[in-house]
Amino acid sequence: EVQLVESGGGLIQPGGSLRLSCAASGFSVSSNYMSWVRQAPGKGLEWVSVIYSDGTTHYADSVKGRFTISRDSSKNTLYLQMDSLRAEDTAVYYCARDHSAGWGYWGQGTLVTVSS
Amino acid sequence: QSVLTQPPSVSAAPGQKVSISCSGSSSNIGNNYVSWYQQLPGTAPKLLIYDNNKRPSGIPDRFSGSKSGTSATLGITGLQTGDEADYYCGTWDSSLSVVVFGGGTKLTVL
Repeated sequence: EVQLVESGGGLIQPGGSLRLSCAASGFSVSSNYMSWVRQAPGKGLEWVSVIYSDGTTHYADSVKGRFTISRDSSKNTLYLQMDSLRAEDTAVYYCARDHSAGWGYWGQGTLVTVSS
Repeated sequence: QSVLTQPPSVSAAPGQKVSISCSGSSSNIGNNYVSWYQQLPGTAPKLLIYDNNKRPSGIPDRFSGSKSGTSATLGITGLQTGDEADYYCGTWDSSLSVVVFGGGTKLTVL
C-alpha cells in the first residue's frame, strides 16, 4: 500500500529555515515523480516543486532560489529544504506522488507557520 | 490569479448533475493532460480524474472528465451531499515549466 507521511512543520520566524520530510512506503521515491504542493489557510492549492525520476527538478517562481527539493533513496524519503522563509510561505505542505499525468497519492500534510 | 480559471462556486440539488469548467491556454491544457482533485474539508486532495478522462480505481463512474481545446470539464452525476467539497483542475504548463492548478470550485449540494 502506498503511504506518504510528512513531518518537519512548525512555527518559524521570518528569514529562518526549515526542512520538511516525506517518508514513503509501498513504492520507491526514486522511481516516481514526486511533488510538494502547499495550501495557505483558506486558499487553493499551489504547486511548489517537482523532482522527476531522472533527478530533474522544477520550482514555482514564488520559491525559486529559496526552496530545494531532494530525495534519499536509502531512506525512501522526499525532502523540501526551505530557506529565507516569508510570512506568505505559511501553509499546509503536502507531498504527492504521480499517477500517470496526475497526483494520485497525497500525504496528510504538515503545517508551516512563518511568524515573529 | 491562477493560470487555470475555474468558477468559484457551483450548486445543484441532490440527484442532479453538475459541470465544473477549467479554462487555460495552449501552453497548458491545450497540450497536456488534465487531472481533477476533490478536497473534502480538512483533508488532503484526492485524485478523481487523470489523463483528461480516466478514473483511478475506486472512483465511481458518477465522476467524468473531458477536454476540448484549451478547456476541460469535470462532470458529476447523481449528486450526493457527500460530494460537497472543493474541486481543483491541474496540468503541466510547458511554457512556464511548472505544474498549475485552478483556483478551485466549491460545490454545494442544496
